[in-house]
Parts: sequence; structure tokens; C-alpha cells
Amino acid sequence: EVQLVESGGSLVQPGGSLKLSCVASGFTFSNYWMDWVRQTPGKSLEWIGEINTDGSKTNYAPSIKDRFTISRDNAKSTLYLQMSNVKSDDTAIYYCTRMGSLLYYYDGYYHNVPNWFAYWGQGTLVTVSS
Amino acid sequence: DTVLTQSPALAVSPGERVSISCRASEGVNSYMHWYQQKPGQQPKLLIYKASNLASGVPARFSGSGSGTDFTLTIDPVEADDTATYFCQQSWNDRTFGGGTKLELK
Repeated sequence: EVQLVESGGSLVQPGGSLKLSCVASGFTFSNYWMDWVRQTPGKSLEWIGEINTDGSKTNYAPSIKDRFTISRDNAKSTLYLQMSNVKSDDTAIYYCTRMGSLLYYYDGYYHNVPNWFAYWGQGTLVTVSS
Repeated sequence: DTVLTQSPALAVSPGERVSISCRASEGVNSYMHWYQQKPGQQPKLLIYKASNLASGVPARFSGSGSGTDFTLTIDPVEADDTATYFCQQSWNDRTFGGGTKLELK
């Protein structure tokens, strides 16, 4: 059974930093792209960013603007989200997700391209307030 | 950003058929996916790439559409389907619709 367990959420002051973790089990972690998604108190969902299987490539939503960094440790089956210079708008539940991918052929070989959020953790709450 | 627009809420009776719509601000080919979120829970994948049923999802759920207009259909609706349903596109980065809250009469 696929399990994703986030931790690290807490109350943090504006301008502060926080690091979230997500421990994965039930599948071969190093085979999958992983993403972070957040859900605001108003319940809307926002994609934060993604990391490829070996951690060499990351993509972020334009709204994140270099404040967040996604990383992974495949030996520990753990995904991370480093948040810095946080703002009140960052208050949300943060979800770790395993991606579903489609296979494309280009540049001479096949690529797994992530598209949908196949599995979600239970989320961890980050509250930004003074 | 590709903006996805959903109706805020729908109310239907058990046993009926319901269609939940999602309109994209620009064409997203067939790269539209659907999720169900029950109160207090994380979202769950229902449909991927417009019309493909995710593993373990009942056949009462189906998806259709391409380009800018997509539909999630539940037929027949059951009491357990009370939830908020979100669409998400992956043609241009990833964005979500605002969600449609489905209530049962």
C-alpha cells in the first residue's frame, strides 16, 4: 500500500523558515517524480513544484518565486520542502504527492513525464502568523 | 496561467446522474484530471487524462472532454459521493479548478 506521511508543519513567523518532510513507503520511491501541493484555508489547491526521480531536476510554480526548494533523499525514501521568507499567504495544508506519468518518445529515447497527482499524503499544516 | 472554472456547488438526489463541468481558459488537449475530496481528507484521484478511470475507482465515475470543456459524470450518485470535486490540468504547468461541492438532497 502506498503511504506518504508528511511532517514538520507548525506555526512560523512571517519572514521565517521551515522544512517539511514526507516519508514514503509501499513503493520504490526512487522510480517516481514527486510533487508538493498546498491547500489554503479557502480550500483552493495550488501546485508548488516537483522533483525528478534522482533529484537532478526541479520545476516550480511561478508564484513560488525562488522562496521554496524541493529536494529528496532516495536512500531514506524522503521528500523535502524547504520554505524560506514565508508570508501569511503561505498558510495552508501542504501535501506530498506521488505523480502519475505518461511515456513520451523524444530526443532519441523514452521519457516518463509526470502529469497527475496519483497519491496524496494526509497533509501537514503550516500557519504563518506573528 | 491556465485558469480552470467550475460551478461552486450542485445538489442531486441519490440514484440520479450528475455532470460536473470544468472549463479551461485555453486548450489543454486531453490533459485534464479529476479528484474527489471528502471533508477532513486529502484529495483522491478519480480520472486521469480526461477519461481514464484510476485504479479502484467505481465505474459509476466517468470523464469526458478535450480542448477547453471537460465533464465528470457520476451515474448513479450514491450518498457516499458527497464531496468536493476538483479538476486539474497538466498541459501548461499544473493548475486546479476551484472545486464543485456536491451535496445530496
